[in-house]
Amino acid sequence: QVQLQLGGAGLLKPSETLSLTCAVYGGSLSGYFWNWIRQPPGKGLEWIGQMNHSGSTNYNPSLKSRVTMSIDRSKNQFSLKLTSVTAADTAVYYCAREVGSLRGDVSWFDPWGQGTLVSVS
Amino acid sequence: DIQMTQSPSSLSASVGDRVTITCRARQNITNSLNWYQQNAGEAPKLLIYAASSLQSGVPSRFSGSGSGTDFTLTISSLQPEDFATFYCQQSYNTPRTFGQGTKVEIK
Repeated sequence: QVQLQLGGAGLLKPSETLSLTCAVYGGSLSGYFWNWIRQPPGKGLEWIGQMNHSGSTNYNPSLKSRVTMSIDRSKNQFSLKLTSVTAADTAVYYCAREVGSLRGDVSWFDPWGQGTLVSVS
Repeated sequence: DIQMTQSPSSLSASVGDRVTITCRARQNITNSLNWYQQNAGEAPKLLIYAASSLQSGVPSRFSGSGSGTDFTLTISSLQPEDFATFYCQQSYNTPRTFGQGTKVEIK
C-alpha cells in the first residue's frame, strides 16, 4: 500500500521560498502524476500542479510563475518550491498521487499525504 | 479553468437520514468527476471516482451518479462517522479544480 510522507519547513517569512518534499513508500514513481494541493485555513482545496516520473509538468496558471516541481528517483520522492511567499500562501499543503484508468480518460487523487501546515508571517 | 459548484454549502442531518449533495461543472466534463471526504484535521479521502465508481473499502451507503455537467453524491443512511466536509473534483483537464465543499453537520 502506497504511503506519502511530507517534509519541509513550516514557518516562513514573506519573500522566502517554500520547500516541501513528499517521500513515496511502498510504490514506484513511475506511471503516475504526482501532485501538490493546498488548503488555506478554513477554506477549500486548491490544486498547485503535478509532475510525472519523466519530468513532465502541469502547473496551475495562478501560481505558475512561482512554482517549480522536481523528482528525485534515487530517493523515491518529489518536491515543491514556491518562491516569494506571502501571507496568502499560508495553508496546509498536501501531496497526492494521481491514478488514471486504463483507458486514460479519467483520473483521481489517491492516496494523499498527511498534510503539513506552512505559515507565512 | 472549469468552475465546480457544489450545493448546498452546508447541511444539517440526523443519523439514518438520506443525504444528497450536488456538484455542477461549468462545462461538459463527461464522467471525469471524483468525490472526497475530509474529516476535521485530516487529509481528504477518495470516496467515488469516475462519477459513479466506489473506491475500494468505502461503505456501500455512498454512491455517485451523473455525467456531463451535473453530478450527485448520495449517502443512503448517514452514520456518525460521515459528519465531515465533502468535495467534488474534476479531472477532465488542467488545472484540476474542486468544488467549494459541503459540510455535513449533526442536526
